[in-house]
Amino acid sequence: AQTIHQWPVAEIKAVGSPLSLGCTIKGKSSPNLYWYWQATGGTLQQLFYSITVGQVESVVQLNLSASRPKDDQFILSTEKLLLSHSGFYLCAWSLLGGYEQYFGPGTRLTVL
Amino acid sequence: QQKVQQSPESLSVPEGGMASLNCTSSDRNFQYFWWYRQHSGEGPKALMSIFSDGDKKEGRFTAHLNKASLHVSLHIRDSQPSDSALYFCAASEHSGGSNYKLTFGKGTLLTVTP
Repeated sequence: AQTIHQWPVAEIKAVGSPLSLGCTIKGKSSPNLYWYWQATGGTLQQLFYSITVGQVESVVQLNLSASRPKDDQFILSTEKLLLSHSGFYLCAWSLLGGYEQYFGPGTRLTVL
Repeated sequence: QQKVQQSPESLSVPEGGMASLNCTSSDRNFQYFWWYRQHSGEGPKALMSIFSDGDKKEGRFTAHLNKASLHVSLHIRDSQPSDSALYFCAASEHSGGSNYKLTFGKGTLLTVTP
């Protein structure tokens, strides 16, 4: 069975500090991977997607970057956090593009 | 402008009742629709997809798509308190292959009261 793990579960960071969030998918080879951002109680905004190791496409610019260093790992990062980065970050995977996306449990980020 | 619009923003139904959620796309390129459900503090989970005109039924859930008007609805019969959640409509330009972008609506908050 496939499992998706996100770390950390929650993070409180200062404005201007760096950030790194991680996501690991086990039990599925070469999945498509996605990062989403969700404001509290708000809609889901797709940020990045990746179809293979080392290849990441940006969907929207929010002063964030993403990388896929391994087949089963997706990293979201920034060197300088803004207040507007606060929210819920979700990683997801799909078998193929256009198919059902399976979401992880998310990371709650608070920027003060 | 929000390309995927949902209504109502919130909805309260009694246990055992019918909940009806609506979604409309303003982008004619969006032809493929999904319904996702998110319980508080968790990641969303797909309920069902609908790509063809008409109805699609899965258990207590029925989705209806009208491609001409780009309107999709979700009906939940015999609603249960466990159905209380945020429901998202999501749309994409095509259903398979190289499509990776999914656009979500703002969601409908459903509360089922015992």
